[in-house]
Amino acid sequence: GEDVEQSLFLSVREGDSSVINCTYTDSSSTYLYWYKQEPGAGLQLLTYIFSNMDMKQDQRLTVLLNKKDKHLSLRIADTQTGDSAIYFCAESPGGYQKVTFGTGTKLQVIP
Amino acid sequence: NAGVTQTPKFQVLKTGQSMTLQCAQDMNHNSMYWYRQDPGMGLRLIYYSASEGTTDKGEVPNGYNVSRLNKREFSLRLESAAPSQTSVYFCASSEPGGVSYEQYFGPGTRLTVT
Repeated sequence: GEDVEQSLFLSVREGDSSVINCTYTDSSSTYLYWYKQEPGAGLQLLTYIFSNMDMKQDQRLTVLLNKKDKHLSLRIADTQTGDSAIYFCAESPGGYQKVTFGTGTKLQVIP
Repeated sequence: NAGVTQTPKFQVLKTGQSMTLQCAQDMNHNSMYWYRQDPGMGLRLIYYSASEGTTDKGEVPNGYNVSRLNKREFSLRLESAAPSQTSVYFCASSEPGGVSYEQYFGPGTRLTVT
């Protein structure tokens, strides 16, 4: 079955880059996602990548995908205090709307 | 557009009591979901409804029932609450066939069972 793993906690200084890592098991996954959850709120889609891509960049966000190792990472450049949140990695097989979420990584940004 | 709304925001129940969590979406999405979020365990799917009139079990369905009342509304019922059901519950919706199958989440219901 599907399984998505992430480290639980990451602490960085404001202005540094953050890298949040994720491993997944379903090799048939077509879509891989990063969701952000701010305190007391639901999840919001941050970015996603198709499995036939290696990299996707969107302003301060860079997603890297290593299909061979089933490893996904999210890099946040110039991390700000507003980036403090829980970040969830998620995967879904193509053409099927069920999504499996990871455990979430809590990012703490130190001013 | 309100997006996905959930009621109530907070609830405290005694063991054995029942309650229904309500969810509604105004985006005309076909698919709706119920998740629970527990510390260190991420989001786990309880039930989902791929389209109006259908419901299916997710990863952790025991102790819950659902009703897809119409295309807009998807409710989650706890018939006899247990302390193990203390959690934050999220409803979400998505549109199959969209570019990314993005799920849109409600603000959550924080449930405590004593």
